[in-house]
Amino acid sequence: DAGVIQSPRHEVTEMGQEVTLRCKPISGHDYLFWYRQTMMRGLELLIYFNNNVPIDDSGMPEDRFSAKMPNASFSTLKIQPSEPRDSAVYFCASSLVGFVKANTEAFFGQGTRLTVV
Amino acid sequence: GIQVEQSPPDLILQEGANSTLRCNFSDSVNNLQWFHQNPWGQLINLFYIPSGTKQNGRLSATTVATERYSLLYISSSQTTDSGVYFCAVALQGGSEKLVFGKGTKLTVNP
Repeated sequence: DAGVIQSPRHEVTEMGQEVTLRCKPISGHDYLFWYRQTMMRGLELLIYFNNNVPIDDSGMPEDRFSAKMPNASFSTLKIQPSEPRDSAVYFCASSLVGFVKANTEAFFGQGTRLTVV
Repeated sequence: GIQVEQSPPDLILQEGANSTLRCNFSDSVNNLQWFHQNPWGQLINLFYIPSGTKQNGRLSATTVATERYSLLYISSSQTTDSGVYFCAVALQGGSEKLVFGKGTKLTVNP
């Protein structure tokens, strides 16, 4: 398997524009996670899905952020409208099963570095 | 929520030296992973180790779950070991959230 694949790797956009980040999880993994990494807050969980269903979106900072998982092999994180404070590295990760009930690891994509100017 | 503290925050070594990184967590956990974030930003899995000891080449890790800490040992460090090392845990009986510490930034000089 090629691992978790994210696109684009880098995105530069102007304030107010819509940004869509994409993720393809590892095939067969039931869980998908979106994380954001900033210098101030470190790595923080935004939202996670189980079998394509959003389970916990309490980490989504504002209504400007939304995430979807239309099928088992694709997820998007959308920011509309984008603001300079959204600049960060956004990671997608997947795991075979959940962390609480079973032994499993999270595998991360290479991230999308978003810059909003 | 669960607190994850890593120490030291920064570490500078000469090539060939050994080091120990520590991760303390505030509650019982079901899952603990160590990651290495390389200078290009990629998060690489090192160990899944909710308890016990594991070794992989020059790296080894030990988690003492009853005392709520984990240690990552790097022996004979190389410049390619540079980067940030993260500990991440999932709370026992909690939700499927992997909570990260702030990391230890390791610099290995030639």
